[in-house]
Amino acid sequence: DADVTQTPRNRITKTGKRIMLECSQTKGHDRMYWYRQDPGLGLRLIYYSFDVKDINKGEISDGYSVSRQAQAKFSLSLESAIPNQTALYFCATASPGQGADEQFFGPGTRLTVL
Amino acid sequence: AQSVAQPEDQVNVAEGNPLTVKCTYSVSGNPYLFWYVQYPNRGLQFLLKYITGDNLVKGSYGFEAEFNKSQTSFHLKKPSALVSDSALYFCAVRDVQNTGGFKTIFGAGTRLFVKA
Repeated sequence: DADVTQTPRNRITKTGKRIMLECSQTKGHDRMYWYRQDPGLGLRLIYYSFDVKDINKGEISDGYSVSRQAQAKFSLSLESAIPNQTALYFCATASPGQGADEQFFGPGTRLTVL
Repeated sequence: AQSVAQPEDQVNVAEGNPLTVKCTYSVSGNPYLFWYVQYPNRGLQFLLKYITGDNLVKGSYGFEAEFNKSQTSFHLKKPSALVSDSALYFCAVRDVQNTGGFKTIFGAGTRLFVKA
């Protein structure tokens, strides 16, 4: 079984709709992240969380919100989707080391906003 | 501010030849440096990292990377490329002095094509 799972894997929606992307992990990691990937731009951080009570904005948090329901679950919401939020979204986890630990990524969710 | 540059959008190499994927970085303090690989329809997978110590770091699948502090570079290398190495490669940096956020900055990615 995959250590980091994302649902759904693909989603097509319309402008203005509310969308939730879910991430679950079995690695026991405290740190969880949401990124979006756009061609030529690499990965950009949307939100990150170091534990259930800790939520932090990343570099492109506008238009997004998150919920850390449990250590193993971190959800990303688009309250009112717009076309420029069409992208590939990745969830990642990392152990609470001293900043030197690598991240483990889910398989991604491809979101299309029409 | 932290930044990472991957100056080549694409690298083409013949199978069996050595490959290099370039990465330069900018941080205010000392860096933690990472390479990740992304295969089609998959998430990123960790390849290797530089934390401290030996400037030559060995990682998965025969890849290695050389940390050069004076040139602020961390180029990914492999002595003999395989067709199966064809993928998208990301360099990433984390500023040791700014670990309050443990935020990792990713480069834009370099697509590697290995031709048989």
